[in-house]
Amino acid sequence: RKEVEQDPGPFNVPEGATVAFNCTYSNSASQSFFWYRQDCRKEPKLLMSVYSSGNEDGRFTAQLNRASQYISLLIRDSKLSDSATYLCVVNYLSNFGNEKLTFGTGTRLTIIP
Amino acid sequence: DAGITQSPRYKITETGRQVTLMCHQTWSHSYMFWYRQDLGHGLRLIYYSAAADITDKGEVPDGYVVSRSKTENFPLTLESATRSQTSVYFCASSQTGLGDEQYFGPGTRLTVT
Repeated sequence: RKEVEQDPGPFNVPEGATVAFNCTYSNSASQSFFWYRQDCRKEPKLLMSVYSSGNEDGRFTAQLNRASQYISLLIRDSKLSDSATYLCVVNYLSNFGNEKLTFGTGTRLTIIP
Repeated sequence: DAGITQSPRYKITETGRQVTLMCHQTWSHSYMFWYRQDLGHGLRLIYYSAAADITDKGEVPDGYVVSRSKTENFPLTLESATRSQTSVYFCASSQTGLGDEQYFGPGTRLTVT
């Protein structure tokens, strides 16, 4: 099983719709969770951190479910500019005491006019 | 405000040649990272550095060498390039480590023929 798994998509969603995707992680000791956004042929950029209680930033809502070991990203009122690949990122402390950061392969989202 | 820059942006080299990819950041972040991104894989950590003269292996360090004599620079050297090292390489920096927001450079597209 991969350490971090994402549905690769593509998700093709009409403008204005709500879209959600999940990311599952295998290590129950995972500590930090992030969503990054990556535009085509560009570098990843942090979209938002994911906190235990869930958090919202404008049209974006991130949630963490530790019991089921997944994080989710919800985008409301989607805009054309939301078209991108969304990367799930998980950080944990290994048994050897070193930190590890694992990136998912990304979920591709296309917003259709 | 340059942020984090990488050079060259594109490079074609032959198998067996030594190649150095440069990374420079202007934020005085303590941590710097090198990743490679390939289709079907998430970003994979090659090496990282917690401070000048402190480096550590990531997930896929074989065939790569790093150094960090100054806080702002973190060059990555492929000692004898192989075709399997054809990839997009991203440098990143962060203030406090793997569990912190990372700022990525624009990437270097390397092709080994």
